[in-house]
Amino acid sequence: DAGVIQSPRHEVTEMGQEVTLRCKPISGHNSLFWYRQTMMRGLELLIYFNNNVPIDDSGMPEDRFSAKMPNASFSTLKIQPSEPRDSAVYFCASSPSGFSYEQYFGPGTRLTVT
Amino acid sequence: AQSVSQHNHHVILSEAASLELGCNYSYGGTVNLFWYVQYPGQHLQLLLKYFSGDPLVKGIKGFEAEFIKSKFSFNLRKPSVQWSDTAEYFCAFRTGGGNKLTFGTGTQLKVEL
Repeated sequence: DAGVIQSPRHEVTEMGQEVTLRCKPISGHNSLFWYRQTMMRGLELLIYFNNNVPIDDSGMPEDRFSAKMPNASFSTLKIQPSEPRDSAVYFCASSPSGFSYEQYFGPGTRLTVT
Repeated sequence: AQSVSQHNHHVILSEAASLELGCNYSYGGTVNLFWYVQYPGQHLQLLLKYFSGDPLVKGIKGFEAEFIKSKFSFNLRKPSVQWSDTAEYFCAFRTGGGNKLTFGTGTQLKVEL
């Protein structure tokens, strides 16, 4: 099993640019989570999907952030326009159906906004 | 509000020392509890989890955790740490309804030779 796949692994962009982060969950998992990790705020849940439907987006910082899950094998997190304070590591995680609730994390995307 | 507290933000130990990392949650109902580890530059990996039954849970790499319901605690322990245990450790919990986990702020463990 390839695990959760995220791309790109590193992204450097200038303030004001659009950034798109991508995630492929583990096949068969029906829940997908986007997290942001910074030194100041730790690990924050941004949004999560269940069966491709957004369930809880209360952690999305503001309207500049949006997430989609068009099908069971792909999700995107978009930031438009990006700002330096968005610099962080963004993790995607997926979880199987049933009562395991264990989340499997991807390697993360390190975003730097200059 | 539901939350997880990890009171130790930074811990430094010598190899072979015993480890105990604190984790307390605030929720009055049934919870599922988890410990995750993040090695330097890597993603989070599950160490162990508690759902029900024996409150003493054993995980990978010699780690264990004890669920004490009366204290709302789920402390992580290891009798003898190794240099390779240097990592950040996150406690997390799930309450009924939904797959969302609430993570603590993490404890940075450094093991010195």
